[in-house]
Amino acid sequence: DAGVIQSPRHEVTEMGQEVTLRCKPISGHNSLFWYRQTMMRGLELLIYFNNNVPIDDSGMPEDRFSAKMPNASFSTLKIQPSEPRDSAVYFCASSLGLAGWETQYFGPGTRLLVL
Amino acid sequence: KNQVEQSPQSLIILEGKNCTLQCNYTVSPFSNLRWYKQDTGRGPVSLTIMTFSENTKSNGRYTATLDADTKQSSLHITASQLSDSASYICVVNTNYGGSQGNLIFGKGTKLSVKP
Repeated sequence: DAGVIQSPRHEVTEMGQEVTLRCKPISGHNSLFWYRQTMMRGLELLIYFNNNVPIDDSGMPEDRFSAKMPNASFSTLKIQPSEPRDSAVYFCASSLGLAGWETQYFGPGTRLLVL
Repeated sequence: KNQVEQSPQSLIILEGKNCTLQCNYTVSPFSNLRWYKQDTGRGPVSLTIMTFSENTKSNGRYTATLDADTKQSSLHITASQLSDSASYICVVNTNYGGSQGNLIFGKGTKLSVKP
């Protein structure tokens, strides 16, 4: 059974360019989470969806960040325009539901470097 | 302010030895506490989850303890193996109703097991 799939695994871009990160959750999971991880700040929750609907985007750092979930099997996180401080590893995770005891399953992450 | 503090930041031990990682939290209200293991270059994987009423929970050679009165948790690793080299992240859920949207992450302890 495939886990959470993220693409690309690595992305190097120049400041000002648009970056799109993609995620396919585990089939049957109806909750999806986007995280950012840096050495300084650790893991930070950016936004999460339930049944394809955004529930809380208060973690999104600024308007340059946007996320969509057009269907149950696909989500994107877009940064436009990108800045060097956006360099981080971005994780997507999915779970069966939003209940606090549900386990989140993380993808392998996208390592983003903005020059 | 809700915070999760982990110690030590990093730890080096010899293969076969035991070790204990600490997690202190100033979070209220408290719903549950989870330990994740994150191998280098991969997403976090859940090891254990503990609720208010649980004091100890084991997962193979990993044993987590929780003292809700002192707001402390520990993760004990017995007879360490090289594959235990990873970062261990403590996560506290503040939502007493049980939603996933109020997770407070520690910055992790980086464990290196040497032969």
